[in-house]
Formats: sequence, structure tokens, C-alpha cells
Amino acid sequence: DSGVTQTPKHLITATGQRVTLRCSPRSGDLSVYWYQQSLDQGLQFLIQYYNGEERAKGNILERFSAQQFPDLHSELNLSSLELGDSALYFCASSVGSGGLNEQFFGPGTRLTVL
Amino acid sequence: GIQVEQSPPDLILQEGANSTLRCNFSDSVNNLQWFHQNPWGQLINLFYIPSGTKQNGRLSATTVATERYSLLYISSSQTTDSGVYFCAVPTRTSGNTGKLIFGQGTTLQVKP
Repeated sequence: DSGVTQTPKHLITATGQRVTLRCSPRSGDLSVYWYQQSLDQGLQFLIQYYNGEERAKGNILERFSAQQFPDLHSELNLSSLELGDSALYFCASSVGSGGLNEQFFGPGTRLTVL
Repeated sequence: GIQVEQSPPDLILQEGANSTLRCNFSDSVNNLQWFHQNPWGQLINLFYIPSGTKQNGRLSATTVATERYSLLYISSSQTTDSGVYFCAVPTRTSGNTGKLIFGQGTTLQVKP
């Protein structure tokens, strides 16, 4: 158990819908990262927050947004869902914000868009 | 940006065999992580190894940062070692970010 929690574990929804994925980082970690794992793109970085502030953005679609709350949990919102958004979404956390920090991953949320 | 390549892409072993997985990266790095993704999809931290050698049970890893590669050794493999092994390195873009770039992974199947 990494100490990072994600809910829900599975999500099945229809095209056009909106969903929210939730992540709680390890105790003491200030950075939260979101990654997407799809069959054709592999594991890709989406976005990073550090202590409530956006720190870095990757190939995150405009239909996706995220935020980190004062209690440091984070939510990833996916809207106008398309079939291609079906993937495993991981949250990770680390103590600091830079590349020297080891990242620990949650169990993931498996999203299926029908 | 930095490129990360892993080899081999697939590996089939008999239980008890040893193996070496390789990770090459195209630029200097200040961190490298190895992960095991088990058949249930969980990403499990194996090593945080920016340089040098570390050992954890039957697994060990070596990173030679100056030559831009890392190796993961699995000895006396067990069926529970099956899954996908990823290496990942942080980008060195401006700003203090820990964005990880992942290799495409090595899929390992250990047969009983």
C-alpha cells in the first residue's frame, strides 16, 4: 500500500458525460500528479499541483481540469467524455515539487466510456 | 524532450531463471524510478535510483547516469514477478516540476 488513495476504483459512463476522480496523497506530501495510461499512448503525465497551486501541465485536454484543495486532496474532472478517454487514471504524490522527489502511485481509477 | 527506451519489450522466463531489463534515456537525469505494474494494474515502486546500485531481496538495480542507462536485475524469478516493468525519469524543463517520462515498459511473463 503506497498510502495514496483514489476513488472510485472503476467508473463506467457514457459519451458526453462528466466524471470526477478523487485522490488523497500520502500524509505529508504536498505534490499531487495525475497520469493517464491508455493502450496506445502508454503512461502520460497530465498535470501537477503543489500545495494548492498548479505547477506543471502535460498533454491534458481542454475538456479535463483539476484542482488541489486546502486539505491537499485533488480532483480530476473529465467532461464531454469520448470513447478515447477510456483509460486507467493514476494519481501520484511526493513530498516536494521537483524531480528529485520519489513519486508514489495510487491504485488508479479505471474509466470506461461506452 | 527526453526520450526513454526500454528493452526488451517482452520477456518470457521459466520460474527460477534470472533476467536483466534495460532502460536508456536520452539526456542527463537527476532521478530514475523503476516500477512494477502487476496484473491488477497497480504501479508498485521498486527503486528510486538516480545513480549507483541498490538491492531489495531478489531485485537489484544499477544506474550509470554518465552513460544514460539503468538496469533492473531479477534473480530466481517467481510467477508473482509477472507484469510490466517501467522506468521513469523526470524532465529537466524550466521550473521546479517532477513530471515523469515513462518508458514503454517490459512485459514479463514467468511460467511455472
